[in-house]
Amino acid sequence: DAKTTQPNSMESNEEEPVHLPCNHSTISGTDYIHWYRQLPSQGPEYVIHGLTSNVNNRMASLAIAEDRKSSTLILHRATLRDAAVYYCILRRGGSNYKLTFGKGTLLTVNP
Amino acid sequence: NAGVTQTPKFQVLKTGQSMTLQCAQDMNHEYMSWYRQDPGMGLRLIHYSVGAGITDQGEVPNGYNVSRSTTEDFPLRLLSAAPSQTSVYFCASSYGPGYGELFFGEGSRLTVL
Repeated sequence: DAKTTQPNSMESNEEEPVHLPCNHSTISGTDYIHWYRQLPSQGPEYVIHGLTSNVNNRMASLAIAEDRKSSTLILHRATLRDAAVYYCILRRGGSNYKLTFGKGTLLTVNP
Repeated sequence: NAGVTQTPKFQVLKTGQSMTLQCAQDMNHEYMSWYRQDPGMGLRLIHYSVGAGITDQGEVPNGYNVSRSTTEDFPLRLLSAAPSQTSVYFCASSYGPGYGELFFGEGSRLTVL
């Protein structure tokens, strides 16, 4: 399975945009890029996913590089409730149902 | 809508005891899975199922058994608990195909003494 690389931690100020990077240089053509986040003492929750094109939803935006070897999760205005561990994961479409989580990026949001 | 429900939320076992962690979902999802999370680590896949009667091993299956007799339920069994199985366990489900969103339960914290 293709691996992802994320910074261990990042820091942001409240109400400022946050750009969380993820490298996935060995991504295959059928791998979807997923982002999940895990708030303290909770299970992970889905944030966004995409294949080739940039994606937007109510929580965040996902910017995917043209060669798909990297992506960036964008939180447009960070709030204190966005402090969490963010996981960038590749999930192969079709018959492979597994998700492999790395250690993720711990995002700290300062008031 | 309950989503993914895990029971119990907390459990303390002695080495060698057996127990079952329960997971139920009410979204008619075909895919269900179990993960464990140790301090400072990401989640590691234990077992997964792509439908009733079908299960397969994940990254760390040793010491755990699963079965899937119904679409709704996916219990995780520890036959002889060991201290190394002290962890937080998460159950997750999705509609099926590989690109879908995973829904997670709130977790079950297990301590083995």
